[in-house]
Amino acid sequence: QVQLQESGPGLVKPSQTLSLTCTVSGGSISSGGYYWNWIRQHPVKGLEWIGYIYHAGSTYYNPSLQSRVTISVDTSKNQFSLKLNSLTAADTAVYYCARGPITTGDTPHFDYWGQGTLVTVSS
Amino acid sequence: EIVLTQSPGTLSLSPGERATLSCGASQSVSSSHLAWYQHKPGQAPRLLIYGGSSRATGIPDRFSGSGSGTDFTLTISRLEPEDFAVYYCQQYVSSPTFGQGTKVEIK
Repeated sequence: QVQLQESGPGLVKPSQTLSLTCTVSGGSISSGGYYWNWIRQHPVKGLEWIGYIYHAGSTYYNPSLQSRVTISVDTSKNQFSLKLNSLTAADTAVYYCARGPITTGDTPHFDYWGQGTLVTVSS
Repeated sequence: EIVLTQSPGTLSLSPGERATLSCGASQSVSSSHLAWYQHKPGQAPRLLIYGGSSRATGIPDRFSGSGSGTDFTLTISRLEPEDFAVYYCQQYVSSPTFGQGTKVEIK
């Protein structure tokens, strides 16, 4: 059974950079066949897809966040990571990592999710 | 961006009743690129349906998905106590987007 677990700080100051890591167990990122995603859930706005990375390193970001987002992968640790810069209070959300099977088209649905980690942006 | 609108916002039903949840899209979505999720507080969201009507691994057959174009439906044929949760639709024709959710609560 594939499991994903997010880790990172729960409180970040405005204008700083958020760094989160997702550790995957029960399956190898290197095996291919999946996109590795970050998704967030705002208290009011709901679920928002942030972007994904493929094991070979190709990425695809939500156009609304593209200028502030970087997703990277470390296959040796079976982890992938999110960096989101220039934070504001609007970035306060629960952040999820999720696996997305590669099917037809460029964007996936999500078959396994982490439990999520709450990130608060506040001074 | 494709906007998904779910209705109703809250559905109050009793165990054993049938639940019908709707998801409307701002533009046509291929049924093969529509998914449904169940989410309970403090838990990871759970994939129920993908490809419009295919049940994910381990999902009981009381859950079914249907629809095409701009109108999609998730049906729970007989509600079990564990089915009371929030349900989201998601499209993956283009940059993925989610509906705002329907809460199924115990009447």
